[in-house]
Amino acid sequence: DGGITQSPKYLFRKEGQNVTLSCEQNLNHDAMYWYRQDPGQGLRLIYYSQIVNDFQKGDIAEGYSVSREKKESFPLTVTSAQKNPTAFYLCASSTTEQETQYFGPGTRLLVL
Amino acid sequence: GNSVTQMEGPVTLSEEAFLTINCTYTATGYPSLFWYVQYPGEGLQLLLKATKADDKGSNKGFEATYRKETTSFHLEKGSVQVSDSAVYFCALSGYSTLTFGKGTMLLVSP
Repeated sequence: DGGITQSPKYLFRKEGQNVTLSCEQNLNHDAMYWYRQDPGQGLRLIYYSQIVNDFQKGDIAEGYSVSREKKESFPLTVTSAQKNPTAFYLCASSTTEQETQYFGPGTRLLVL
Repeated sequence: GNSVTQMEGPVTLSEEAFLTINCTYTATGYPSLFWYVQYPGEGLQLLLKATKADDKGSNKGFEATYRKETTSFHLEKGSVQVSDSAVYFCALSGYSTLTFGKGTMLLVSP
């Protein structure tokens, strides 16, 4: 089955720790995205990538980093510089930037 | 820049009632318009889309018509079910990604 997988479903971060969220797609999509979702605020774009080895900052990139070494994979690292990381993180992909985005099931990040 | 405005929720309805969730947008050019649905604890799923003015998107009894003259894309369903309870997001296509509204929660009671 084609789709997007995110792991883990739940992730716990300690103070001063970096954590990495996984996102993999087998849809052969060129573009991939990371969003953060907080209650009542909808989706906010963190980073996006339109092609391998290239990515751009979204609206709230501070405290986050990404890589795009393979077409299928777009991992997100939440660094210790992100002071309020507790949120639901969603990964998505699409054929092009203007087309339908397909979402993964999400990762909920909690701070211990 | 692009923006999407949705009616605030929650929208509370009884089963079999008529549903309307309003969505208006501001955009340059001719964007595609989308409705996504999110069930608790899950990612977003595409519900329907329309790519040009006067197009009607439809799926699972839901409909929305791309109205360029009123810059709107209101979601409607003639008879809601308890299983329709979810958060609904309106979105439009832009240069680099989609722009989403803040979402409208729908609660349907038996």
